[in-house]
Amino acid sequence: GIQVEQSPPDLILQEGANSTLRCNFSDSVNNLQWFHQNPWGQLINLFYIPSGTKQNGRLSATTVATERYSLLYISSSQTTDSGVYFCAVANQAGTALIFGKGTTLSVSS
Amino acid sequence: KAGVTQTPRYLIKTRGQQVTLSCSPISGHRSVSWYQQTPGQGLQFLFEYFSETQRNKGNFPGRFSGRQFSNSRSEMNVSTLELGDSALYLCASSSQGQTYEQYFGPGTRLTVT
Repeated sequence: GIQVEQSPPDLILQEGANSTLRCNFSDSVNNLQWFHQNPWGQLINLFYIPSGTKQNGRLSATTVATERYSLLYISSSQTTDSGVYFCAVANQAGTALIFGKGTTLSVSS
Repeated sequence: KAGVTQTPRYLIKTRGQQVTLSCSPISGHRSVSWYQQTPGQGLQFLFEYFSETQRNKGNFPGRFSGRQFSNSRSEMNVSTLELGDSALYLCASSSQGQTYEQYFGPGTRLTVT
């Protein structure tokens, strides 16, 4: 089945710093989403981005489907950005959403 | 529009018991999927229901089952609970299925003692 790898596994930043999270996937995808898991466990939708570039405030994402990777950019980090960021993809058959292991981001003031 | 809701939010059960979790999708969404999250295995797909039919199933034993009602609400059941079933169970809804944007509920945290 399709493999999803996220890097780095852990990221420690000072408030105000910028960061880039990467998601590599092993096959063509029909869906790619970025989520932020809050401390209570809920997955918050950040981007639905099977291809192209999107921006939402301090966050932006780019997916290059032909090269099988996606990037999530966080600018001017805030302490509230802390948490686990997941990338998830659905394969061509669309049978399931496959998650990476996540990137744990810690932002300190 | 109201988001995905899950009940109960927390649950403690004893080994050997069974449990039923409930999920109400976003209004108008017909696809409901269930995921299990554990520290060791991460987020894993359990199954998906669409218009009351199980459309896809992950690699879990038969003790894990589910159903979907005509109003798209879904339940999942775990019978003969094992300690390893302790996990966060997340439900997601989408308009049509896995290739469409998925929206997750707050989850049910199950502890098996």
